[in-house]
Amino acid sequence: DTGVSQNPRHKITKRGQNVTFRCDPISEHNRLYWYRQTLGQGPEFLTYFQNEAQLEKSRLLSDRFSAERPKGSFSTLEIQRTEQGDSAMYLCASSLGYRGDEAFFGQGTRLTVV
Amino acid sequence: QQQVKQSPQSLIVQKGGISIINCAYENTAFDYFPWYQQFPGKGPALLIAIRPDVSEKKEGRFTISFNKSAKQFSLHIMDSQPGDSATYFCAATRPGGFKTIFGAGTRLFVKA
Repeated sequence: DTGVSQNPRHKITKRGQNVTFRCDPISEHNRLYWYRQTLGQGPEFLTYFQNEAQLEKSRLLSDRFSAERPKGSFSTLEIQRTEQGDSAMYLCASSLGYRGDEAFFGQGTRLTVV
Repeated sequence: QQQVKQSPQSLIVQKGGISIINCAYENTAFDYFPWYQQFPGKGPALLIAIRPDVSEKKEGRFTISFNKSAKQFSLHIMDSQPGDSATYFCAATRPGGFKTIFGAGTRLFVKA
């Protein structure tokens, strides 16, 4: 499978717990993005990596959120002390070049905080 | 802040008809305008995209019309099919290409 892979597909957690999601981009893609999508809305930009460098973070990404991309390969998104408002679909995308036009999305991780 | 406004929220079209979805943007710095198609439980998939130096782009049954002066663009789906039933998002990207702003989406249902 050469697409963007995200794990887990679904995660149910209790409020206050920490969760971590993983994204494996298309292998030759050097750009990686995280988005959040709530029901009935379009994806909202969270953060962006160029190789291993995190170059931009949205103000949506509070200090409870942290993302890493060690060695410029896979990426993880961690949410600490989850809140019910964190319930959403977390989408990862990757692209090859300068433009975001070749961005390919994974199937997402659906987080439910109870 | 909503920088890309999309309408309608939902759309029902008869099989074989034309589906039209409209978007308007505010930031004139945007220089790339993709449309994404999303099926339930799946991530968005790039459908077709246009740059502001072109007024129209056609790929198969899908056409983007772009009006730079009005800061508007639209997606036309010709000969709509039940398999086209999905949520469609317009989007806009600034130079640098790393932050894409999405519209709120249009849920399209094509009746057989």
